[in-house]
Amino acid sequence: QQQVKQSPQSLIVQKGGISIINCAYENTAFDYFPWYQQFPGKGPALLIAIRPDVSEKKEGRFTISFNKSAKQFSLHIMDSQPGDSATYFCAARGTGNQFYFGTGTSLTVIP
Amino acid sequence: DGGITQSPKYLFRKEGQNVTLSCEQNLNHDAMYWYRQDPGQGLRLIYYSQIVNDFQKGDIAEGYSVSREKKESFPLTVTSAQKNPTAFYLCASSLSGQGAYGYTFGSGTRLTVV
Repeated sequence: QQQVKQSPQSLIVQKGGISIINCAYENTAFDYFPWYQQFPGKGPALLIAIRPDVSEKKEGRFTISFNKSAKQFSLHIMDSQPGDSATYFCAARGTGNQFYFGTGTSLTVIP
Repeated sequence: DGGITQSPKYLFRKEGQNVTLSCEQNLNHDAMYWYRQDPGQGLRLIYYSQIVNDFQKGDIAEGYSVSREKKESFPLTVTSAQKNPTAFYLCASSLSGQGAYGYTFGSGTRLTVV
């Protein structure tokens, strides 16, 4: 049973465009929502994170939008660049401070 | 530099062999985790440990074993009972309690059965 559902599985965006990845959850006990970026052959690296009492967090070209009532959150990558091509995972922190991961989105930014 | 070191980067296993993947961290993190990554399936939790000498099974623990004798080390053994071990294995660590703001991952070990 997937605790965090992520979509789409893959995404192709033109350079300069906006990449949007969505995640949804059911467990209202989740209290922290990070996003990870993974390049091929490497481990995931923490990209940006948000608490549920905040509706939006922005760091450079990366923004998390959080809708607590809908139990959904999304990652927006503005002005997408070929160097952003990677797999992105959303995650949620649950009881016992364990993190639950989405299934990942493979992003390809076309020059 | 603080971080997590996984070794080896590539590992080949013959049928019926046990192999051990190493994971060492110098971040002074209490909790450590092992994940398996297969294409299209995201990250699946194998085992985790929140304190020395204690560990719990994750979602796919069958065919795997771990130990946590030192805070810095959390080796994973892939036993011959694991029928489909070819995958990318990731080790991670974090602070425990409310200090767990995310995991720090190692660079992974790619295990292939030959």
